Amino acid sequence: GAVVSQHPSWVICKSGTSVKIECRSLDFQATTMFWYRQFPKQSLMLMATSNEGSKATYEQGVEKDKFLINHASLTLSTLTVTSAHPEDSSFYICSARPAGGPQDGELFFGEGSRLTVL
Amino acid sequence: QKEVEQNSGPLSVPEGAIASLNCTYSDRGSQSFFWYRQYSGKSPELIMFIYSNGDKEDGRFTAQLNKASQYVSLLIRDSQPSDSATYLCAVLNQAGTALIFGKGTTLSVSS
Repeated sequence: GAVVSQHPSWVICKSGTSVKIECRSLDFQATTMFWYRQFPKQSLMLMATSNEGSKATYEQGVEKDKFLINHASLTLSTLTVTSAHPEDSSFYICSARPAGGPQDGELFFGEGSRLTVL
Repeated sequence: QKEVEQNSGPLSVPEGAIASLNCTYSDRGSQSFFWYRQYSGKSPELIMFIYSNGDKEDGRFTAQLNKASQYVSLLIRDSQPSDSATYLCAVLNQAGTALIFGKGTTLSVSS
């Protein structure tokens, strides 16, 4: 099946620093990528939808200036958590939809990135 | 954001039994429904998807969809301890722009 890779898989940072998480589709092109956040024992919450070459669409309650999303190519989307604070500690997961595939088709998930802010 | 509801469990079944996982959704216009399995600390992995009313079988798994009742379920036959995980129901919104997840049901299969 299609492969989506996230990097880093685990990052620990000090409060106030910025952290960038990369999401790459390795064997397909993705016009749309989705970023989710999952707190312990909670479900995945959609943060934003990123479309290649255009601005991301953020879900209600997600600060676009804090969670910067860039989808500059058909195989790479990045999420930057700016001025991270301990409450931003979470599991961040991206998923991608293959370009040209059905809009209701399968999404492929990355392995997730665990962010711990001290 | 539209709602997807699941019983959080835990659901405990003995090895070899049938596990039944349920999910309801609020967006009546939704057309695509997915079941994911997630082990602790790992990313979700797709088990099945279903688009049409009725049953869809894949090995030990059967997904059931009833759009009129806005209800989707997953049956796991001959449950194995390795099936112990959290099962997430996900619904694609009508516009196809967002996959909304339920909170998940934790399944525990005892040997």
